[in-house]
Amino acid sequence: QSALTQPASVSGSPGQSITISCTGTSSDVGAYNYVSWYQQHPGKAPKLMIYDVTSRPSGLSNRFSGSKSGNTASLTISGLQAEDEADYYCSSYTTNSTLVFGGGTKLTVL
Amino acid sequence: QVQLQESGPGLVKPSQTLSLTCTVSGASMSSGGYYWSWLRQHPGKGLECIGYIYYSGSTFYSPSLKSRVTISQDTSKNQFSLKLTSVTAADTAVYYCASGSGMEFFQHWGQGTLVTVSS
Repeated sequence: QSALTQPASVSGSPGQSITISCTGTSSDVGAYNYVSWYQQHPGKAPKLMIYDVTSRPSGLSNRFSGSKSGNTASLTISGLQAEDEADYYCSSYTTNSTLVFGGGTKLTVL
Repeated sequence: QVQLQESGPGLVKPSQTLSLTCTVSGASMSSGGYYWSWLRQHPGKGLECIGYIYYSGSTFYSPSLKSRVTISQDTSKNQFSLKLTSVTAADTAVYYCASGSGMEFFQHWGQGTLVTVSS
């Protein structure tokens, strides 16, 4: 299973909104509503931000939202803050009963 | 709150077996409801799922690692373990244990442990 495709980097200014895309195929992103997003700060473990395409873990800011259209999922961060600067990874369950990850996107807050 | 902590050698020689243990607190592995997983992240790279074990003992392994991986659990100690045989330099990575109420996402993560394969 090939990795999901994410942009290498995105950037935005504080207060703005940004969207990170995650493109797969009909065998992964397009097959199920099992897309997750993780935030990872340098030297730290990943943190779950979104699961099952649109669900947020309890206590997580509603500035983070997820969506999906066809074979592409998206993570939107609104009201960008300095602490949002991190790497973001998407993942999807696949028709082979495996999990596949994206290559990661580095978010820079200008 | 579920907390996870990896432990094990940080240096393994080529061709030997990498062994790591994850100690779980804040939840009982035998109670069910969680999938207990191992993932790794090569230096400067993305994440890779190695496999998981469910409280029933059923396991799933990544097809690319299946021939070398064993994940087991000791519910009396609230721990689960990873064994990866015949390691090479390509297995050098940060190894994470993680858990989730679904097999398709990971809610709780250990801090990660760097394992270097080198003679």
